[in-house]
Order: sequence, then C-alpha cells, then structure tokens
Amino acid sequence: AQSVTQLDSQVPVFEEAPVELRCNYSSSVSVYLFWYVQYPNQGLQLLLKYLSGSTLVESINGFEAEFNKSQTSFHLRKPSVHISDTAEYFCAVSGMNSGYSTLTFGKGTMLLVSP
Amino acid sequence: DAGVTQSPTHLIKTRGQQVTLRCSPKSGHDTVSWYQQALGQGPQFIFQYYEEEERQRGNFPDRFSGHQFPNYSSELNVNALLLGDSALYLCASSLIDRRSYEQYFGPGTRLTVT
Repeated sequence: AQSVTQLDSQVPVFEEAPVELRCNYSSSVSVYLFWYVQYPNQGLQLLLKYLSGSTLVESINGFEAEFNKSQTSFHLRKPSVHISDTAEYFCAVSGMNSGYSTLTFGKGTMLLVSP
Repeated sequence: DAGVTQSPTHLIKTRGQQVTLRCSPKSGHDTVSWYQQALGQGPQFIFQYYEEEERQRGNFPDRFSGHQFPNYSSELNVNALLLGDSALYLCASSLIDRRSYEQYFGPGTRLTVT
C-alpha cells in the first residue's frame, strides 16, 4: 500500500513570488508520481507526472517537480506564480501492486495567490 | 473530442436511500475508476472497471457497487446511504495500455445526504 503526505494544507503567496508545495510518499513497491490541480467546482487535471528517466519534470505552464528517491519526495515548484494559479493541488502516487492503474492521493494543498 | 462526463451534477438524497451515478469515459478509453472526495480531503479510490468487470477495489463497503457497460460507460451505486457518504464522486477514465498511466477525470457529482 502507499500513502501520500502533503505537509501544508494552505500556502498563501503574492503574485510573481516563487512557491513550493511539498509532497512526501511512502510505499513498499515501485511507484509513479503525479501532481493534479483542481479549480473550484471542477474535476482534477493532470499537471505533471514522473514515470522514469530525468528526475525533474516540467509542465507547460511553468510548474516543475523533482523526484527525490532517497527522501521519498516529489515537491512542486514554480518560480513566479500568477493569480490564475489559485487552486487546490494534489500529489498522488500509483504503485506497481495495482499495475500503476489506481491513484492514492494526499489531502491537497490550497495555493492562494494574492495581488 | 469529448472528455469524461458525469451525471447528474448535483444530487440530494435522504439517509437510507439508494443512488446511482453515471459516467461516460473519454473517447477511446476502456477503463473507468471511481473516487470519493470528502470535503477537505483528497480523492479516495473506490473501484475500477475494465471489460465490464470489477478489476480492483479500494477499502469501501459492499454498499458501494458498480457496473460497466459494453460501450465502456459506468455506473456507481450506493445503497443504504449514510450521512458520511456526502462527497464529490469523481469518475476517471484511462487506457489499460500500460504506456499511458494517465487518468482523465470528470467534473464530478456532488452528493449530499440529509
């Protein structure tokens, strides 16, 4: 089984400031890692994923996350946030025991960007 | 290309009643998973359907059951509703092909049990 811990339930930040959303996971099997974003009254959208290869993965809208196996972390970063980045962010893992086909989510981090 | 659709958008039921939620997967997808997202929590995996059979199941009681149809659409049924079943129910579709590993989520059905 897997578990995901998102250490911050809410992260307030000013527009154009950098931000880091923290995610740690626990698993006894190999995992794939994901970040999803949820805007108000909407479903989840995949932001980025790590399956293999380079430990640094990037999204098309400027977010990046780095897989750190020794620290079992997959923190999400953005060097300069916009008002439109305000949303709930979920870190998730899928494990080899499920054929990597089901997701275990953290509780989410609400990113609040203010002017 | 239509994404994942779910119906209804909102639903209010009374304790003890039964409810059916519906999901149509993204075009070309063959696998449907259901998740429950309680207020302030991350989504929790309920079960997954592929080839009209339940392929995997999370830690949910038998009151939660499902079905997948030949056109890959799916239903989630919950019997004997409890107040604690109030949540956003998310459907996600994917391809069983292991090269993708991506799940596409619908907008969800908000269930309120009174």
